[in-house]
Parts: sequence; C-alpha cells; structure tokens
Amino acid sequence: EDQVTQSPEALRLQEGESSSLNCSYTVSGLRGLFWYRQDPGKGPEFLFTLYSAGEEKEKERLKATLTKKESFLHITAPKPEDSATYLCAVQAWTNAGKSTFGDGTTLTVKP
Amino acid sequence: DVKVTQSSRYLVKRTGEKVFLECVQDMDHENMFWYRQDPGLGLRLIYFSYDVKMKEKGDIPEGYSVSREKKERFSLILESASTNQTSMYLCASQSNRGYGYTFGSGTRLTVV
Repeated sequence: EDQVTQSPEALRLQEGESSSLNCSYTVSGLRGLFWYRQDPGKGPEFLFTLYSAGEEKEKERLKATLTKKESFLHITAPKPEDSATYLCAVQAWTNAGKSTFGDGTTLTVKP
Repeated sequence: DVKVTQSSRYLVKRTGEKVFLECVQDMDHENMFWYRQDPGLGLRLIYFSYDVKMKEKGDIPEGYSVSREKKERFSLILESASTNQTSMYLCASQSNRGYGYTFGSGTRLTVV
C-alpha cells in the first residue's frame, strides 16, 4: 500500500526565514510525486511534478527536490502570501492515475 | 489553463435526501476523480473514472455512486445523505499522460 507522510504538521516562519517541508513516501514503482498548494476553503493548486531521484523543480521562492524515499519543498525568503497548506502526493505505475495524498503541512509566514 | 468547475460552493441538505454534485472540465482530460477532505483525515478517494461510462471504486465508496455520461462531466451522487457525509468534496481531472491533478474549487456540503 502506498503511503505518504508529511512533516511537520504546522510550520510558523518569520518573513524571510527560509525552511523546508518534508514528504516521506513508500510506493511500489513511482510514476510521479506531486506538490500542491491549498488555500483555506479552496481546492488544491498544482505546483510541481517530480519523476525520478535527483530531479529538482523551481517556481519563484519554492524549490522541490526528490530522493528515492523523500521529497523536500524548500521555501526561500518566504513572504506572508506563501502561507497555505502544502500537500504532497504520489502515484504508482500500478495505480496509474490514482494519487495517494499526505495530510499536508500548514505554513504560516508572519510579517 | 485547464478549468474544473464544481456546480456549487456550498450546499445544505437534509438527512435522507438524494444529492447530486456536478463537475465539469474543459480540457478533454480522460481521468476524473472525486475526493472528500476532512480535518485530520486528509484527502480520501471516493470514485474515479478513466473514460466515459467507466467508473472505479476508490477507498471510501460506500454511500456514494457516480455517473460519467460525457467525457467532460463527472457527477457524484449521495444516494441517501447522512450527517457523516458532511465534508468538503473535491473534483479533479488529469490527462492520462500522468501530470498532476487540476482541482475544482470544492463543494462544502453540510447534511443536517
């Protein structure tokens, strides 16, 4: 059974204070690992797809990396508007299309 | 940009009512999904569909059914609503090339 564990559950940062969110996963044959951002009361918004260990993707202040067991979402010099819940999900080749989601990390950035 | 539109943002229904949640996507995606999201339980897959008239059970299908008569539309049906079905319902679509999901804005359903 595919599993995704995200840590920490909640993270509070000062504006400009860089940090990382962790996503540990077990999956039988990784098809893709996905990061999403979710604002309160809204649907998740797709951020990145990572396919293989060593891959990195960047978007503004966010950078996602992937190893064979975990992924990190690095946030550099965050701003208050980066406050959201960040979700990690995996898809296995044997479950083509179906994603298993983690419970998310809720990030709060104080000005 | 791909758009996934859910017909209602908020719904209040009575116990025992039959409830229809509609979802429409505009990018010709093959795959569509229904999840529910509850605090402390994360996103749980209810049903999904890889093609018109095809449906597959997810992890928590009990009390739900789905319909996909057209490629762009995927409907979730609560046969007889119960209070434990109060939740945020999220529809998503995906190209079968395997990219991430595009989610709708969600329907917050309250069953009283």
